[in-house]
Amino acid sequence: DSGVTQTPKHLITATGQRVTLRCSPRSGDLSVYWYQQSLDQGLQFLIQYYNGEERAKGNILERFSAQQFPDLHSELNLSSLELGDSALYFCASSVGGISSGANVLTFGAGSRLTVL
Amino acid sequence: GEDVEQSLFLSVREGDSSVINCTYTDSSSTYLYWYKQEPGAGLQLLTYIFSNMDMKQDQRLTVLLNKKDKHLSLRIADTQTGDSAIYFCAERSGGYNKLIFGAGTRLAVHP
Repeated sequence: DSGVTQTPKHLITATGQRVTLRCSPRSGDLSVYWYQQSLDQGLQFLIQYYNGEERAKGNILERFSAQQFPDLHSELNLSSLELGDSALYFCASSVGGISSGANVLTFGAGSRLTVL
Repeated sequence: GEDVEQSLFLSVREGDSSVINCTYTDSSSTYLYWYKQEPGAGLQLLTYIFSNMDMKQDQRLTVLLNKKDKHLSLRIADTQTGDSAIYFCAERSGGYNKLIFGAGTRLAVHP
């Protein structure tokens, strides 16, 4: 158990639907990161939050949004789902901040989304 | 820009050494990382190296960094079947330290 909790583990839904993936970071970590892992795109950085504020944005589609709540858990919302959104979505957490040494990311086990 | 490249596959015999290579583009990266992903699991940190180091050794793992060529390698000595996994190289990028990952190298260890 890495200490990063992601729910649900598996999710099957239809095109056009909307889903929410949830992440609880490791105790003491302030930064949360979302990554998408698909067969043809590898591991793509989506978005990063630090202590409730968005800090970096990667290849995140406009149909996707995320937020980090005051208790530091984060949610990734995926809407108007398409077949190509089927992937593993990973959440990672770290101590974060600008000066944080190696800032090692700890990953959750992932949420596998299948869009039919 | 931010880009990390790795070869996709490596096959080695049990007991041999494995060398996984990676190139990165962000010359300002202060830390570089190796993560391992076993089937059905998340990514697990193996090791990392600070950019002012050339080499770091941790038991069977040796990391070599050539900052001039922006080349990173991971050597696994005495490779075992339990080392079969996908290995990801990552560079730290940006002020808030997000990691940019390569596509991963699938290591297959055969008897």
